[in-house]
Amino acid sequence: EPEVTQTPSHQVTQMGQEVILRCVPISNHLYFYWYRQILGQKVEFLVSFYNNEISEKSEIFDDQFSVERPDGSNFTLKIRSTKLEDSAMYFCASRGRGLNTGELFFGEGSRLTVL
Amino acid sequence: GESVGLHLPTLSVQEGDNSIINCAYSNSASDYFIWYKQESGKGPQFIIDIRSNMDKRQGQRVTVLLNKTVKHLSLQIAATQPGDSAVYFCAENLYNFNKFYFGSGTKLNVKP
Repeated sequence: EPEVTQTPSHQVTQMGQEVILRCVPISNHLYFYWYRQILGQKVEFLVSFYNNEISEKSEIFDDQFSVERPDGSNFTLKIRSTKLEDSAMYFCASRGRGLNTGELFFGEGSRLTVL
Repeated sequence: GESVGLHLPTLSVQEGDNSIINCAYSNSASDYFIWYKQESGKGPQFIIDIRSNMDKRQGQRVTVLLNKTVKHLSLQIAATQPGDSAVYFCAENLYNFNKFYFGSGTKLNVKP
């Protein structure tokens, strides 16, 4: 069964460092998302991406964040200068072409710990 | 922004019983809702969805009920099994599928 894969599963970084989280969405999907979940809290929307551009972003997704689909298969989230409050589980998700469902397929997440 | 919240943070049920997980949403314009299940250490997994033009939708062992009058959503799980133990989130969407707002989550504990 096709699945969304994310790397790394866990990254520890120092405050102020740049981090890149990688995702390989399901191959025939067209819509891509990043969500995050601070430990014990709800899942929060960060950004959606379609046709090589951002469709929508939340207030969390400030200038420190960027997304890219560099090669047609990977979808990356970059945090330029990490802060302590960026510590969270980051989930990538993708959605297929169908217009009748909003079903998102999530990866297993990348845990980011900022020290 | 929209607010989606859950009434009960933790629900414990006996194996074989039916479970009901509730969710309240604040944006009456939301037109699409999803229930997700999140097992420990994993990403959310789609369970069932419902559009605002429906009151009820059934899947395998699960039923979602939507009451637009009071902006309330519920997930019913029939004959709850140990494998159903997880955190359940409702999520709402407005107009397109670009952004979903998730609720706080309810943890379901199934006792053998």
